[in-house]
Amino acid sequence: AQSVTQLGSHVSVSEGALVLLRCNYSSSVPPYLFWYVQYPNQGLQLLLKYTSAATLVKGINGFEAEFKKSETSFHLTKPSAHMSDAAEYFCAVSDRPGNQFYFGTGTSLTVIP
Amino acid sequence: NAGVTQTPKFQVLKTGQSMTLQCAQDMNHEYMSWYRQDPGMGLRLIHYSVGAGITDQGEVPNGYNVSRSTTEDFPLRLLSAAPSQTSVYFCASSSTAGTSGGARYEQYFGPGTRLTVT
Repeated sequence: AQSVTQLGSHVSVSEGALVLLRCNYSSSVPPYLFWYVQYPNQGLQLLLKYTSAATLVKGINGFEAEFKKSETSFHLTKPSAHMSDAAEYFCAVSDRPGNQFYFGTGTSLTVIP
Repeated sequence: NAGVTQTPKFQVLKTGQSMTLQCAQDMNHEYMSWYRQDPGMGLRLIHYSVGAGITDQGEVPNGYNVSRSTTEDFPLRLLSAAPSQTSVYFCASSSTAGTSGGARYEQYFGPGTRLTVT
């Protein structure tokens, strides 16, 4: 079975500061890992995905994440936060293409001007 | 392509009423699923389908029914609405096959239906 833990339900950063959102997963097989972003009153949009290729994955809007098997982590980072990054972020894991996703409980990112 | 569409966007029901949330996708995806999103709980899987005629339960299936008669459509039925079903509902689809680039791995989400049961 797969599961995802997102540490920190709320994260606040200053504009221009580093964004770090944490995600740890549990999987009995090599996982497929995803980060989604949800802006207020909208659906979920894919930020980036790890599908067993390069361990450092670059996504949209300057975000990237690194797959670390030894730490079972897939943390999301961005070097410099923008006000427009304020949103809810979800980490998800799946064990094969098109199969069930397991989502974390989400991290709400606030960017302070 | 319209992607994943959901109707209605908003709905208010009284306890005991029934209704169907519609979901359709035009990407010929085999896999479709329904989630509910509640504050502090992330997205929880209600039901899913791996193809027409095949459905299965997710984490929180009680009070909901689904069917999959076509590849495109995956409606979610609330049999007798309860206040505990007040939530935002998302439909998603993905492909189990496909071309390069990993496009077959991700799930595509609809815009959601905000349901209130009074």
